[in-house]
Order: sequence, then structure tokens, then C-alpha cells
Amino acid sequence: GAVVSQHPSWVICKSGTSVKIECRSLDFQATTMFWYRQFPKQSLMLMATSNEGSKATYEQGVEKDKFLINHASLTLSTLTVTSAHPEDSSFYICSPYQALGGYEQYFGPGTRLTVT
Amino acid sequence: GENVEQHPSTLSVQEGDSAVIKCTYSDSASNYFPWYKQELGKRPQLIIDIRSNVGEKKDQRIAVTLNKTAKHFSLHITETQPEDSAVYFCAASRNSNYQLIWGAGTKLIIKP
Repeated sequence: GAVVSQHPSWVICKSGTSVKIECRSLDFQATTMFWYRQFPKQSLMLMATSNEGSKATYEQGVEKDKFLINHASLTLSTLTVTSAHPEDSSFYICSPYQALGGYEQYFGPGTRLTVT
Repeated sequence: GENVEQHPSTLSVQEGDSAVIKCTYSDSASNYFPWYKQELGKRPQLIIDIRSNVGEKKDQRIAVTLNKTAKHFSLHITETQPEDSAVYFCAASRNSNYQLIWGAGTKLIIKP
């Protein structure tokens, strides 16, 4: 399967600070990137979808000014959580997708964010 | 909007017995149905998937069945082992946007 890396794997930050999460598809070009977050004992919740070189489309209830997504290249996308609050503590997972690459989707290993 | 319902939320079975998890989807245009296994703190791992042109697919102890008319699909695990303990998610997508619609998850507990 495809190789997807995500960095950092975990981060602890203070309330009010910003955190950047990087997602890289190492062996394929991701035309689309899905960003998810997952709270404990819950399912994955789609936050936003971005296409390379375009602005991200955010799901209802997800603040675009708080969760900044940059998909500047086909192998790298970043999610920046700005002015983080304790309620932003969650498990963030990226999922790069290659159009015309088939149905299977791949996932990064996830980033555990804890805001104190 | 589209949704996927998954049942049960928790399933406890004796080691060696079979486990069945069921999902129902609402979007009749869905044509891809993957099942994922997620261990604590890890990414979802694809264990089996099925496309809408197939009614059943099997891979060793794991099988998935699809009923397009009823819009439901099921995961079957036979001869369960302790390492099968995890949370399992079903999902559905269509090839217009490939966005996965996720079920709520089933915590599978294998009792020794």
C-alpha cells in the first residue's frame, strides 16, 4: 500500500498557541487531501477536503480561520490549528487520495494533539 | 445528508466464535464499501472492501456481504482470535468525490 507520513505524531501545546501538522504522501501524488479528527471513542469526522493548488472545502461546523489547510504540492499538505483551546485536543488524521488511483484510501499515522 | 449506521456499538464474543457487524447506508449512489480496523492510537487499517458490482467477498477469516437493494452490508469474522479485538468501522463512498461516509464504529471484544 501507499506510504503516508504525518508529523508530529504527538504534540502538547498551551492554550492560545498554534500547531502545524504535516502530512506527506511518500510514494504517490495526492490530488486530494482529506483531514479528519477523531475524539475518544468516536468515529472519524471529516474536517475538510482540499485539492492541490485550491482552497480547502470545510465541513459544516469547522472554522476555516481556525483550521488552516495548505495543499501546495501533490505530496505535502499541512493543517495548522490556530489559537488552540483544550476542546481542540483530538487525534488528527490526514488521508491523501490520488484521483483515478482506485477506490482505496490511505491514512497518515495520526497526530495526537493535547492542548493544556 | 448521507449517513451510514453501524450496529452493534459493542460486540463481545468468545474466542473461536464468529462475529458479525452490520451497516446500512442511505446514499443509493454509493458504490464502494470498505471496512477498517482501528487499534487504540493507531490509524484505520483497511481489512476488506467491496464494490457495488459484487455481492460477497472473502479473504481468509474475513468476509463482507453487500445487499444493494436493502442498502446494507455486513462484516463477518470467523474463528475469532484475541488479536481481532479492536474497533471496526464501516464506510461508504461514491466515485463522484470519493469522500468516505463513516459508521460510528463497533468495539469488538474477544473473550479468551
